[in-house]
Amino acid sequence: SQQGEEDPQALSIQEGENATMNCSYKTSINNLQWYRQNSGRGLVHLILIRSNEREKHSGRLRVTLDTSKKSSSLLITASRAADTASYFCATGGRDDKIIFGKGTRLHILP
Amino acid sequence: DAGVTQSPTHLIKTRGQQVTLRCSPKSGHDTVSWYQQALGQGPQFIFQYYEEEERQRGNFPDRFSGHQFPNYSSELNVNALLLGDSALYLCASTYSLVYEQYFGPGTRLTVT
Repeated sequence: SQQGEEDPQALSIQEGENATMNCSYKTSINNLQWYRQNSGRGLVHLILIRSNEREKHSGRLRVTLDTSKKSSSLLITASRAADTASYFCATGGRDDKIIFGKGTRLHILP
Repeated sequence: DAGVTQSPTHLIKTRGQQVTLRCSPKSGHDTVSWYQQALGQGPQFIFQYYEEEERQRGNFPDRFSGHQFPNYSSELNVNALLLGDSALYLCASTYSLVYEQYFGPGTRLTVT
């Protein structure tokens, strides 16, 4: 079973716009991670946010975590064609099973 | 510095057969996890190996088994293949208490 659930399932935006994806989960977590996957290939780790953190930045990425609402969001600013991919949130850690959501398919339009 | 490698890239098997998939972790990593990803779905955790032992297991039947070798490489074995086992199998490695996982490109298994 999958704990994380991303919203929306699919998103199309114009290049240069910002993209926001949300993730909701059900149980307490140690950390939450976001991954990117291009065309059914291996996943690339984007960012990890710990349960005691509320916001984290990495380049054009901004992640927020609200443990009271059991939700997280991933914001990609100034989107580029290369950002077209599927984005997954994953909860857990090394001593816990890492559980992935079903993903958001992001399509950047030229 | 080689990342996570997996072999083979693609594989076609018949129902009832057995398959072995292989994974070499990123240099310096000692923990390997395996995931199954069906088309259009997120990866599902199969199991994790550390110090040559299975540390965690997801909701997969005993037909799925694995092994980790002293050099930290790992194998995933699936017996009595079913059509529903067709998927992309991903291997991920990490080191000790670091949560960030590095994924390999995956093995695409098709069961006919």
